[in-house]
Amino acid sequence: GNSVTQMEGPVTLSEEAFLTINCTYTATGYPSLFWYVQYPGEGLQLLLKATKADDKGSNKGFEATYRKETTSFHLEKGSVQVSDSAVYFCALNAGGYNKLIFGAGTRLAVHP
Amino acid sequence: DAGVIQSPRHEVTEMGQEVTLRCKPISGHNSLFWYRQTMMRGLELLIYFNNNVPIDDSGMPEDRFSAKMPNASFSTLKIQPSEPRDSAVYFCASTFCGHTFGSGTRLTVV
Repeated sequence: GNSVTQMEGPVTLSEEAFLTINCTYTATGYPSLFWYVQYPGEGLQLLLKATKADDKGSNKGFEATYRKETTSFHLEKGSVQVSDSAVYFCALNAGGYNKLIFGAGTRLAVHP
Repeated sequence: DAGVIQSPRHEVTEMGQEVTLRCKPISGHNSLFWYRQTMMRGLELLIYFNNNVPIDDSGMPEDRFSAKMPNASFSTLKIQPSEPRDSAVYFCASTFCGHTFGSGTRLTVV
């Protein structure tokens, strides 16, 4: 079946450090892939997405590339800020009705 | 666009009481999802609708939970009777090509 696996958190970084959050998936067919971010006390917000192999999604300095050969969609940012502290969820579109399969989430804490 | 609107933002109720959570999806979005989020279990999909029709309610934990979508602009999630283990943040999301989440309802059952 379809599933998403994310690296466990929390991830703790100093401001301006490089960020990688790993995400791998199992799916039939060719799903669309997403990263969502959840700030404290808020709902999840779409951060970026990619709809086919080799696509790169990007937003707010974050990037992720759809790698079909490694079934991965790792999230990266070159220089994190304190305001990036949040929980990040990787997800895939499981096909019908736009249902999403979410990973468990990775908490990121960035310190000054 | 006001986005997905959930009400109330916070609800505190006593065990055994009925609780109704409300959601107004984004106009034009034809699918609506209800999720529950807790520290222990993470984000769980409870039920989803397409064009107001329930498609999959296999995530609804017990018969105490029910959901309706009487029209394209309104959905409810009801818990009757409520129990302390139902305490969680409940999110509604509508989708056209990717989910848009509401701000959630934080439910506390005492």
